[in-house]
Amino acid sequence: DTAVSQTPKYLVTQMGNDKSIKCEQNLGHDTMYWYKQDSKKFLKIMFSYNNKELIINETVPNRFSPKSPDKAHLNLHINSLELGDSAVYFCASSQEYSSEPHYEQYFGPGTRLTVT
Amino acid sequence: GENVEQHPSTLSVQEGDSAVIKCTYSDSASNYFPWYKQELGKRPQLIIDIRSNVGEKKDQRIAVTLNKTAKHFSLHITETQPEDSAVYFCAVINDYKLSFGAGTTVTVRA
Repeated sequence: DTAVSQTPKYLVTQMGNDKSIKCEQNLGHDTMYWYKQDSKKFLKIMFSYNNKELIINETVPNRFSPKSPDKAHLNLHINSLELGDSAVYFCASSQEYSSEPHYEQYFGPGTRLTVT
Repeated sequence: GENVEQHPSTLSVQEGDSAVIKCTYSDSASNYFPWYKQELGKRPQLIIDIRSNVGEKKDQRIAVTLNKTAKHFSLHITETQPEDSAVYFCAVINDYKLSFGAGTTVTVRA
């Protein structure tokens, strides 16, 4: 009955590699998000998709490319990994992003990425 | 983008005492203010939220107050228990994006 799931939970890789993180939600939500949580616990939005369309694209290096094959899935692909990419990446979902009062966001368990 | 300031960054309280965390924001058009709790190694989870047409909301031992004029809102936890130990984040909706405060690490001492 997991609402928002992510794989893998842990990812250890070397600089320069390319990796992907997958996210799935079974809540029937229209909007999905990727957040990055750094070592100081600061949570910052990276991307958001609504019904497979990109609606939020924060100042993120273009080595990060999100892909939404359908509205239940939002994957994150990272090229040429750097040490500074080490963080916990959270996927989240919510009802239609522009409607009220459906703002609550449900977070996945996170993926801890370590780049060595 | 929205600037959300959260204080204090750490808070240590004796079990049974109250804890208060305060946040300020910059955009007067913001109309939704959630609080998330993140236990060690876990995901952030919504614990309470308030909308701009309400000044106060309570749910058992937690309450949130909002002052739209001053652009600040606060989380109050009464009768703290060890399981309240976690990082608490305030957040503000702006342009459909959630902007989070930097977090407050709350430690409840037995």
